[in-house]
Amino acid sequence: GAVVSQHPSRVICKSGTSVKIECRSLDFQATTMFWYRQFPKKSLMLMATSNEGSKATYEQGVEKDKFLINHASLTLSTLTVTSAHPEDSSFYICSARSPAGGSYEQYFGPGTRLTVT
Amino acid sequence: AQSVAQPEDQVNVAEGNPLTVKCTYSVSGNPYLFWYVQYPNRGLQFLLKYITGDNLVKGSYGFEAEFNKSQTSFHLKKPSALVSDSALYFCAVRDSTGTASKLTFGTGTRLQVTL
Repeated sequence: GAVVSQHPSRVICKSGTSVKIECRSLDFQATTMFWYRQFPKKSLMLMATSNEGSKATYEQGVEKDKFLINHASLTLSTLTVTSAHPEDSSFYICSARSPAGGSYEQYFGPGTRLTVT
Repeated sequence: AQSVAQPEDQVNVAEGNPLTVKCTYSVSGNPYLFWYVQYPNRGLQFLLKYITGDNLVKGSYGFEAEFNKSQTSFHLKKPSALVSDSALYFCAVRDSTGTASKLTFGTGTRLQVTL
């Protein structure tokens, strides 16, 4: 149980275009999902917390208008990188927290490698 | 603010030998502590957690970790390393107070197990 998927696993796009990444909880309902960015040989940086039915909460320094997050249902959150630039190239990972009591941990997706050319 | 320190960028160990990956933390309240493993180009896999109770926590793949409140540490251990354990390991902490589930991760330690 507690499987989180991401789609696509890899995407290459041209500078100036937008890319949408999907994060799905496959066997549980996730009221809260998190989006992380991971640079090479670096730790995970939390970008935003996504709550179903409400606006995402962004971490300091993360541009809301550039990284659009939508948590439309209890099993789906999307991250759209708008007007992508080469510096947006990174590994993006989502995670989901189940509302069931006592679990505490977050379940992570397999990640999406974004390359902007 | 909460923080995690993993002082070693890389740990090298021979297969069959015990391994330790170090982690220290800082939170204002009681900590919830986690270890995750990441294989190349993959997401994070949960290994184990400490919430409350016994200081020695057993997790997946034979890993265990010991919570030490006085030293604010949560070192990951395994009695006998396998080559397949080679991966990137992250320690994470969350403050037990408040309703947010925001995790703070350490910088990661690369474990290299050789024959």
